[in-house]
Amino acid sequence: QKEVEQDPGPLSVPEGAIVSLNCTYSNSAFQYFMWYRQYSRKGPELLMYTYSSGNKEDGRFTAQVDKSSKYISLFIRDSQPSDSATYLCAMSTSLSGGYNKLIFGAGTRLAVHP
Amino acid sequence: GAVVSQHPSWVICKSGTSVKIECRSLDFQATTMFWYRQFPKQSLMLMATSNEGSKATYEQGVEKDKFLINHASLTLSTLTVTSAHPEDSSFYICSARDRRISYEQYFGPGTRLTVT
Repeated sequence: QKEVEQDPGPLSVPEGAIVSLNCTYSNSAFQYFMWYRQYSRKGPELLMYTYSSGNKEDGRFTAQVDKSSKYISLFIRDSQPSDSATYLCAMSTSLSGGYNKLIFGAGTRLAVHP
Repeated sequence: GAVVSQHPSWVICKSGTSVKIECRSLDFQATTMFWYRQFPKQSLMLMATSNEGSKATYEQGVEKDKFLINHASLTLSTLTVTSAHPEDSSFYICSARDRRISYEQYFGPGTRLTVT
């Protein structure tokens, strides 16, 4: 079993739809949760960062963490064609010192069509 | 914002040769840099963690004699793929951690290596 599971998709939605992206994990020691966006042939860029459980909102993006269920989500409201990319979840047990090791999900490919 | 560059962006080499990939943090100091590889439609797999001035820490299954990492300064780390084989063909991505913001890793644009 992988430490982090993420449905690779692809996920195709119409412009303006609400998109829900999810990851599950098995390591209860994970405390830091990130969502990255990666365009084709580019490096990932950080979208959202959450520590422990709870919700975090930034513009059209909302990240949720449910540690009791070992489940994290990223919601995109009013999706745009420019949101078409691969979304990767990433997790870490610690971010201090030399232990800033991120474990990535496989990534979900999202296509938003006009 | 923080920028990480990689050079070259793509490289084709012959089997048996060595290739060096550079990773630079352009506007911040990175005490730690990470090297990942990514196969098509797959996730990033951490290869090694590189701390400035010390030896890199390699993940299980990564051959340290094949993937040589040098982190000589706070803004530069290099990955050398020695005696490259076609199975080493992949997308190599580095990231750098800003010493002032412990949680954030800034990723480079990646280097696509093709070994013929």
